[in-house]
Amino acid sequence: SQTIHQWPATLVQPVGSPLSLECTVEGTSNPNLYWYRQAAGRGLQLLFYSVGIGQISSEVPQNLSASRPQDRQFILSSKKLLLSDSGFYLCAWSPGLYYEQYFGPGTRLTVT
Amino acid sequence: ILNVEQSPQSLHVQEGDSTNFTCSFPSSNFYALHWYRWETAKSPEALFVMTLNGDEKKKGRISATLNTKEGYSYLYIKGSQPEDSATYLCAFRTNFGNEKLTFGTGTRLTIIP
Repeated sequence: SQTIHQWPATLVQPVGSPLSLECTVEGTSNPNLYWYRQAAGRGLQLLFYSVGIGQISSEVPQNLSASRPQDRQFILSSKKLLLSDSGFYLCAWSPGLYYEQYFGPGTRLTVT
Repeated sequence: ILNVEQSPQSLHVQEGDSTNFTCSFPSSNFYALHWYRWETAKSPEALFVMTLNGDEKKKGRISATLNTKEGYSYLYIKGSQPEDSATYLCAFRTNFGNEKLTFGTGTRLTIIP
């Protein structure tokens, strides 16, 4: 069966510091991968998605970036965090376009 | 910008009662409507994917209907139990051929024992 992992579970970072959140999927190959954010009082917002190694699509212009160095690894990064980057970050995977998406446990990021 | 709205925002229901809530979405360029359940301290869990106007899906005590012409979906819970307490999210997918799911802000359901 497939499993999706995210770490860390919680993170407190000062403004201006870098960020690296990691997501890995087990038990499948060539998944579509997604990063979502839920800010306080808002719905889940798609940040990035990837349909293959090195292929990243950005949905929202911001100071975040994503990379997919391996088939089942998806990384969310920032060089300098802003207060507005605080939120709950979820990684998800799907077998392909138009399929259900399966979510990881999430990372709670607080930027202070 | 696609607008997906869910109502009510929150709901308290007595254990044993039935309840329902609404997801509204654009009626044009429809491809699919997803429902997820998100329990506290867990990951969102897929409940249903609905693609056809008039679709009805059921999983145990939970069911959903879809009206793509008028742009709404209802989620019903029959005989609510404490384990039904969660936030219920709907997500709309267009037929534009991209990966984007647009989520509503959710309905937070609390079952009162």
